[in-house]
Amino acid sequence: DVVLTQTPPTLSATIGQSVSISCRSSQSLLDSDGDTYLNWLLQRPGQSPQLLIYSVSNLESGVPNRFSGSGSETDFTLKISGVEAEDLGVYYCMQATHAPLTFGSGTKLEIK
Amino acid sequence: QVTLKESGPGILQPSQTLSLTCTFSGFSLSTYGMGVGWIRQPSGKGLEWLANIWWDDDKYYNPSLKNRLTISKDTSNNQAFLKITNVDTADTATYYCARSLYYGLLLPDYWGQGVMVTVSS
Repeated sequence: DVVLTQTPPTLSATIGQSVSISCRSSQSLLDSDGDTYLNWLLQRPGQSPQLLIYSVSNLESGVPNRFSGSGSETDFTLKISGVEAEDLGVYYCMQATHAPLTFGSGTKLEIK
Repeated sequence: QVTLKESGPGILQPSQTLSLTCTFSGFSLSTYGMGVGWIRQPSGKGLEWLANIWWDDDKYYNPSLKNRLTISKDTSNNQAFLKITNVDTADTATYYCARSLYYGLLLPDYWGQGVMVTVSS
């Protein structure tokens, strides 16, 4: 199974600060069809996860453009440019290139 | 507007069979490329994908649990179901259903609110 390692496990930020979360894969997530199926989700406290970014860098509809994703092969990054209070929660990366589908262990974003 | 809602027994005893229902609206499981999946999350822990069913009745199971899982659907009533046999305390979790799109293995774009399931004697 593909192992996704997220760092840091916990992140503390002030409002307006820019932060980055890393997701490293145990194998390349580049699919034979040329796409890379690495997605990012946010789970706010007491809520279900929501899709933020799909295929590395595509913003899901309705997601603010302060969120951005980048990376390739095995190294991926989620960046929040100017954290807002509503961004607190746990961020998960998720790969859908290799069966079985797997998730990272999560990065908890706290607001100072 | 896409919505999904899970329902389940709340509590059950070890060795019993867990039956979960996902009732959804805003899309059809008879539409090409549509699917519904089940994911669980033990309290305070991470996410685990369990199973997915597609518009054409194709099914995908997590190999680590495959022998215990059965996913099915009722397209006419906009429902998907998951059964887990021989449960034990390790199956205690919040169970989510999610709409999945046929993109890579799948892309979960809408999630239900989740239903808590406790396995206890």
